[in-house]
Amino acid sequence: QSALTQPASVSGSPGQSITISCNGSTSDVGVFKFVSWYQQRPDTAPKLIIFEGVERPSGVSNRFSGSKSANTAFLTISGLRAEDEADYSCSSYSLSGTLMFGGGTRLTV
Amino acid sequence: EVQLVESGGKIGQPGESLRLSCVASGFSLTNYWMYWVRLAPGKGLVWVSRITGDGENVYYGDSVKGRFLMSIDNAKNTVYLQMNGLRHDDTSMYYCGRGQSGVYYVELWGRGTMVAVSS
Repeated sequence: QSALTQPASVSGSPGQSITISCNGSTSDVGVFKFVSWYQQRPDTAPKLIIFEGVERPSGVSNRFSGSKSANTAFLTISGLRAEDEADYSCSSYSLSGTLMFGGGTRLTV
Repeated sequence: EVQLVESGGKIGQPGESLRLSCVASGFSLTNYWMYWVRLAPGKGLVWVSRITGDGENVYYGDSVKGRFLMSIDNAKNTVYLQMNGLRHDDTSMYYCGRGQSGVYYVELWGRGTMVAVSS
């Protein structure tokens, strides 16, 4: 059950845009639409911000967007705000029947 | 209010058993898939287990298969995680989560309960 690969950290200034990658394989990200992204601030529960690769739950800002190319999924945050500082994790269903998560990316604003 | 509240986390010794609970409020478990996901200090999220709302089908991650058992009590609207043969690397915050049936993402999370395994 190998984790999806994400950069350990990214940073940006307020107002800028950043993109976090999530590298999988032909057994998970590359074949399923079930890629999701989660935001987790310190000492709080994870929060779903993107599901099925590109969809946003009700109430999630449209500054958050998801995309996918081949075996890699991406999370883009535009118009960075201080409140966006958090850990971001990707997830995908896999052919093995497991739910894979990435190692998480710490965003510093 | 729609929410999940976990409990049962504690400090345990290697080899011991522990049972975590997750009480759901504001919705019926029968209509959803339920998950346990853990987060070890300094590490990424790891999927532990998933159960269908009727309790008929349960699936486990490789790291807990054969040691952990997930179950559901619809009368109490509660899911459980029976953790047997605890190991040091089971030390994590354990989160309960809800997902729609047939799709593979966690749309609602609890605040978690901490399990520490130490000799």
